[in-house]
Amino acid sequence: DAGVIQSPRHEVTEMGQEVTLRCKPISGHNSLFWYRQTMMRGLELLIYFNNNVPIDDSGMPEDRFSAKMPNASFSTLKIQPSEPRDSAVYFCASSRVRGPSSPLHFGNGTRLTVT
Amino acid sequence: GENVEQHPSTLSVQEGDSAVIKCTYSDSASNYFPWYKQELGKGPQLIIDIRSNVGEKKDQRIAVTLNKTAKHFSLHITETQPEDSAVYFCAASLPNTGNQFYFGTGTSLTVIP
Repeated sequence: DAGVIQSPRHEVTEMGQEVTLRCKPISGHNSLFWYRQTMMRGLELLIYFNNNVPIDDSGMPEDRFSAKMPNASFSTLKIQPSEPRDSAVYFCASSRVRGPSSPLHFGNGTRLTVT
Repeated sequence: GENVEQHPSTLSVQEGDSAVIKCTYSDSASNYFPWYKQELGKGPQLIIDIRSNVGEKKDQRIAVTLNKTAKHFSLHITETQPEDSAVYFCAASLPNTGNQFYFGTGTSLTVIP
């Protein structure tokens, strides 16, 4: 099991540019979550999907953020246009949900720096 | 929604001593409580979890206790080693919320050799 795979590991971009973060969940998992981690706010849930369908995007900070999950093995988080305050580590996590809660499995994150 | 508080924010212990991290939650309906360890440059990794029908769970040097009445749960690490140094997060999950988790703010543990 390769675990949750995120790319790129690091992204440095200039303000105003479009940024796309990618995630491949663990095979067989049916839920996918995007989190943002900063020193000030800790781990924040941005959006999550069940069976490829977005369930709750109330954590997405603004319309500049969008997420898609076109199939069970791939998801993207896009920021357009990016701003310096978007600098953070973005984590993708997946889980297999069948009845009782199941643990999340996190990727190693994408460190985004917007200058 | 659920609110999870975690204490302390930083903790330093001598190698071989025990470390205890405490979390409280607000919604008595929460029924699943995982603990994650995050090392530098990596994502949080599950180290132990407990469900609400259990009061204590142990895995080698790590144990978790749950007090449903008081709505708090704790992580206990015995015989700490330098490789235990990391940030630890507690979390709580409510049933029927699509596996949504509410995380504590993290505890930075330093084990001094």
